[in-house]
Amino acid sequence: ILNVEQSPQSLHVQEGDSTNFTCSFPSSNFYALHWYRWETAKSPEALFVMTLNGDEKKKGRISATLNTKEGYSYLYIKGSQPEDSATYLCAFVANTGTASKLTFGTGTRLQVTL
Amino acid sequence: GAVVSQHPSWVICKSGTSVKIECRSLDFQATTMFWYRQFPKQSLMLMATSNEGSKATYEQGVEKDKFLINHASLTLSTLTVTSAHPEDSSFYICSARRGGRYTGELFFGEGSRLTVL
Repeated sequence: ILNVEQSPQSLHVQEGDSTNFTCSFPSSNFYALHWYRWETAKSPEALFVMTLNGDEKKKGRISATLNTKEGYSYLYIKGSQPEDSATYLCAFVANTGTASKLTFGTGTRLQVTL
Repeated sequence: GAVVSQHPSWVICKSGTSVKIECRSLDFQATTMFWYRQFPKQSLMLMATSNEGSKATYEQGVEKDKFLINHASLTLSTLTVTSAHPEDSSFYICSARRGGRYTGELFFGEGSRLTVL
């Protein structure tokens, strides 16, 4: 069983604060790391897919980094806005040949208040 | 982004009945779809990988006779919970993969909340 952990479980910040959270995954057999955002009453949507050690991706105020050797990825949100409130999920893809399934973490629930 | 539609969103059924959940990829052809189940305060647990034109691949511990998956076309996969019991009550969500096997993005449906009385 692959262990994908996210911390913190939940986070409450004020508008304008910058924040970050962590996804930890196995450092062996790594192939890819996905980040998804899941707003309440909506479908999860993809933010980033990262494959290379040292990768950095950015989309607007959201960015992510990847360290495959130590098995972690950080997601950063700069200047949080209420519309950033959502659960952020990471998902690990192992390099196992034929299998290509995503193993999800439990998510970090972010709430941004005015 | 791509659109995946899942329905019903909510379903309440009596114990012993069967329930079918549909997952449609509306604007791209999906050879691979995934079915997840989520228990309260837990992560999305993969139940099975649905492959168009072939049998689904079930995860360990998932009863294939109880959770029937059909992927008859490139845009539709269905999950049928047969002889449902209260312990099957859960949130079920599907996704369709677009792109490569390892790096393709998943596009999710809205999810289905099943309550078995």
